[in-house]
Amino acid sequence: DAGVTQSPTHLIKTRGQQVTLRCSPKSGHDTVSWYQQALGQGPQFIFQYYEEEERQRGNFPDRFSGHQFPNYSSELNVNALLLGDSALYLCASSLAGSGRGSRSSYEQYFGPGTRLTVT
Amino acid sequence: AQSVTQPDIHITVSEGASLELRCNYSYGATPYLFWYVQSPGQGLQLLLKYFSGDTLVQGIKGFEAEFKRSQSSFNLRKPSVHWSDAAEYFCAVGADSWGKLQFGAGTQVVVTP
Repeated sequence: DAGVTQSPTHLIKTRGQQVTLRCSPKSGHDTVSWYQQALGQGPQFIFQYYEEEERQRGNFPDRFSGHQFPNYSSELNVNALLLGDSALYLCASSLAGSGRGSRSSYEQYFGPGTRLTVT
Repeated sequence: AQSVTQPDIHITVSEGASLELRCNYSYGATPYLFWYVQSPGQGLQLLLKYFSGDTLVQGIKGFEAEFKRSQSSFNLRKPSVHWSDAAEYFCAVGADSWGKLQFGAGTQVVVTP
């Protein structure tokens, strides 16, 4: 049973460019959340996708956008890259369950991450 | 607003000694609480979780954690650490109704021979 996979593993971009990161959830999961982990910090919630729509969003600017596909995989797009966007980007998958407050939605399985360096 | 505090940035422990990592949270309702471990260059692995019921929860790799509502704490413990336990440990709280996790800043654990 494949776990959460992410691609690419590493990425180097120049300030002002755009980047797309990809995530395939664990088999059977229908919800994907994205987190940004800056060096020496804990992960920060970016947004969450369920049923191909953004269900909730953290405190990140509109330069950060995403998409979820019918097969539940997801993309994270970042436009107009800034030096401060350099971080490890983590994808986590979960099962939405029975709805609001469902415990399964909190049991998140993380991928290995994509290390983005902006120069 | 919800918050998670891990007071210890860095802990050094001898192999075979016991380990306790502290986590304090601020949350209005009964929280869902989690501990994750991250090895260098890796993603996060779920060690254990608390939703309700028994306040002492068992996890993988010999870890356990105790929920203490009166102290707003969820400390992680292991009776005897192994060199492979060297990693960064994150405490997290379920921060809303839809599965958003809010993480602490992490505690780096170094294991010495």
